[in-house]
Amino acid sequence: GDSVTQMEGPVTLSEEAFLTINCTYTATGYPSLFWYVQYPGEGLQLLLKATKADDKGSNKGFEATYRKETTSFHLEKGSVQVSDSAVYFCALSRMEYGNKLVFGAGTILRVKS
Amino acid sequence: DTAVSQTPKYLVTQMGNDKSIKCEQNLGHDTMYWYKQDSKKFLKIMFSYNNKELIINETVPNRFSPKSPDKAHLNLHINSLELGDSAVYFCASSADLAVVYEQYFGPGTRLTVT
Repeated sequence: GDSVTQMEGPVTLSEEAFLTINCTYTATGYPSLFWYVQYPGEGLQLLLKATKADDKGSNKGFEATYRKETTSFHLEKGSVQVSDSAVYFCALSRMEYGNKLVFGAGTILRVKS
Repeated sequence: DTAVSQTPKYLVTQMGNDKSIKCEQNLGHDTMYWYKQDSKKFLKIMFSYNNKELIINETVPNRFSPKSPDKAHLNLHINSLELGDSAVYFCASSADLAVVYEQYFGPGTRLTVT
């Protein structure tokens, strides 16, 4: 079945450091890919998405590019802030499976001032 | 105005009890979902409904029964609660199933079974 693998955390960075969180997926066909963010005590919010190969999703300084050849969707940000501290989830979905989200295990990001 | 709301936010109960969690969305969406987040933050789909019709029923024990009285509401009833049911339950909604739309999540219900 479909699956998503994310780098394990926690990831601890200093403010203004460069962030990369790796995400790879296993799926047949052409899934849509997402990054969701969960702040402490809250629900999930969509951070960015990409629906086809070579699409780049971007939002709030975060970017990720849908790479079909490497089945990857790595999240990057050039300069993190303390307010970016959260749990980040990579996920995929496919219409033929009712658009259910299949999530990675989540990566905790801690940014120190 | 909250897009996807859940009640209650916290639920503490004893093993063997029956409880319900309610979810409402005011986005006019056709599709709603229940996800379970375990203690290690792992999220997994449980059910989805589209226009009150059950679409997804993952390998969830029969003690869990979703009910959708209308397309704006999706409730989750749990019978004979067990310790392993302790988790955070998230409701979500999306516009419909025709294309892959963003899912909007509620704030979650933290269920603790003692």
